[in-house]
Amino acid sequence: GAGVSQTPSNKVTEKGKYVELRCDPISGHTALYWYRQSLGQGPEFLIYFQGTGAADDSGLPNDRFFAVRPEGSVSTLKIQRTERGDSAVYLCASSLGDSYYNEQFFGPGTRLTVL
Amino acid sequence: DAKTTQPTSMDCAEGRAANLPCNHSTISGNEYVYWYRQIHSQGPQYIIHGLKNNETNEMASLIITEDRKSSTLILPHATLRDTAVYYCIVRPLGYSTLTFGKGTMLLVSP
Repeated sequence: GAGVSQTPSNKVTEKGKYVELRCDPISGHTALYWYRQSLGQGPEFLIYFQGTGAADDSGLPNDRFFAVRPEGSVSTLKIQRTERGDSAVYLCASSLGDSYYNEQFFGPGTRLTVL
Repeated sequence: DAKTTQPTSMDCAEGRAANLPCNHSTISGNEYVYWYRQIHSQGPQYIIHGLKNNETNEMASLIITEDRKSSTLILPHATLRDTAVYYCIVRPLGYSTLTFGKGTMLLVSP
């Protein structure tokens, strides 16, 4: 079946611009996670949703970052006034639920480059 | 969360067993050990997890020491497609997110 999909696969923007990154989770998965991966590092948690609500947004680095999941399926990560330090691969994952035994399935990521 | 320590890189010959160690000496009784891997340009992929008993599935085996301070992921017959970064993660019961370290880069050679 279809896995987690993310669009675009690559995004190049200029410093100060606004960007939106989209995640389509596996159908039926109620939990959705966003991670960010800088070069040479492991993924770093940003925010996760259980249904439509953000259950934990403690990983968002500052108020320029915001994410929504209005209908409990597709999610959008929004970054305002982008900075060069925001350049990274943004990964999305989904799982059947948010319990520890629910495997997280990851998408291929969106590579964001801020010039 | 408990910290994990893994070697930066390891090599393995194709067809041989790959044994990837992980140290988690500060692990608590309610924390599970998870392993994920990340093939180049892909998202991480779940491999296996365990609490205190050894676990095996179609991908790998997980051996956890009796004191739970370390574990080993075993790929019994490594193939070139197993070349990836392998992450050992300690995750508390009831905790939904994953905390990744830098992992071990496993290179499987012909």
